[in-house]
Amino acid sequence: DVKVTQSSRYLVKRTGEKVFLECVQDMDHENMFWYRQDPGLGLRLIYFSYDVKMKEKGDIPEGYSVSREKKERFSLILESASTNQTSMYLCASSLRGRRNEQYFGPGTRLTVT
Amino acid sequence: QKEVEQDPGPLSVPEGAIVSLNCTYSNSAFQYFMWYRQYSRKGPELLMYTYSSGNKEDGRFTAQVDKSSKYISLFIRDSQPSDSATYLCAMSAKTQGGSEKLVFGKGTKLTVNP
Repeated sequence: DVKVTQSSRYLVKRTGEKVFLECVQDMDHENMFWYRQDPGLGLRLIYFSYDVKMKEKGDIPEGYSVSREKKERFSLILESASTNQTSMYLCASSLRGRRNEQYFGPGTRLTVT
Repeated sequence: QKEVEQDPGPLSVPEGAIVSLNCTYSNSAFQYFMWYRQYSRKGPELLMYTYSSGNKEDGRFTAQVDKSSKYISLFIRDSQPSDSATYLCAMSAKTQGGSEKLVFGKGTKLTVNP
């Protein structure tokens, strides 16, 4: 079974803090994704990585950066957290060439106060 | 017009009912159509995957694509309380390199009452 794990289920941070969200997958997938999910807005892609050290911006990259130093790990970084970044963050992975078949982690509910 | 439209519901049905979930889309380049299921406090999981037009059946679930109408459906027969979840449609276009990024609908929340 593919397993995608995220470092925290719930996180509370203060405005201006630097926040790291970690994602690890154990199926040797080339592709990894970060999404945020908000009521009424659905799932929106923040960043996508197709290989180690490779990344592409998604629909809403502003205020975020990512790091992929190892194939199994993909980190999302909020350089200076703001209240409008309060959201559910979902990590996903897929095999190369099978971008439609994504496996999601359980999500991290981030609250920025 | 949004690229993918999905009625958010909520939809509440009695156990055993036939459920119909739908999405419409505007991008005629979409060729891959997926349904993801998301239980409360969990990440989405891929439920059905179809390419181009037609029907695909998997147990109690049938995915239907009508490209001429830009309309996709997911039917659930003999619905069970365990089917209670949010259902997200997703689609992507085909490119030379594979496929473009997924575009998700906002999801329809379904409750099946025992």
